[in-house]
Amino acid sequence: EAQVTQNPRYLITVTGKKLTVTCSQNMNHEYMSWYRQDPGLGLRQIYYSMNVEVTDKGDVPEGYKVSRKEKRNFPLILESPSPNQTSLYFCASSLSGTDLGAFFGQGTRLTVV
Amino acid sequence: GESVGLHLPTLSVQEGDNSIINCAYSNSASDYFIWYKQESGKGPQFIIDIRSNMDKRQGQRVTVLLNKTVKHLSLQIAATQPGDSAVYFCAESPTGGFKTIFGAGTRLFVKA
Repeated sequence: EAQVTQNPRYLITVTGKKLTVTCSQNMNHEYMSWYRQDPGLGLRQIYYSMNVEVTDKGDVPEGYKVSRKEKRNFPLILESPSPNQTSLYFCASSLSGTDLGAFFGQGTRLTVV
Repeated sequence: GESVGLHLPTLSVQEGDNSIINCAYSNSASDYFIWYKQESGKGPQFIIDIRSNMDKRQGQRVTVLLNKTVKHLSLQIAATQPGDSAVYFCAESPTGGFKTIFGAGTRLFVKA
């Protein structure tokens, strides 16, 4: 089954404690992306990756890091989480950047206290 | 900055009626538009897309219309069903870029 898998689904952490949200896709997609979703703001793009070792900032990259060492994985790293990073996070993948009908993961709800 | 917006935050329709969800975009350079459906507790799901060289595209029970003159996008759902109840997002991608800009969403309620 074609899917994008995120882990964990839910996470509560404390300010400043580094965390990683993993994302994996099994469709051999080149393009992957991370979004955060906040009430009234829709989905905002954090980072995206066009292929292995190629990443770029989206609209709200501050406080986040990503890496793309292999095609299937695109982890989101919060080096020092803060309460304003409390949000619902989605990972997405698509065949190519110009074919943006993306597959989304099931989401990770992060709370930073 | 440029953004994709929506005319109505909520829409309530009777089961069996047609639904029309509207979206305004501000970046005239955008050449690719997508509609997504998000059900409660799930990630967005691709519905239909359209490129800027088209005015209309049809899928199964859904039609997307693009009016580049007024920078307006709409999603029409025929014979709306209870399972169509969800939040619908429009999204745009500017020419040559990989960035995707989402609108804030419209919540569709389907009354039985």
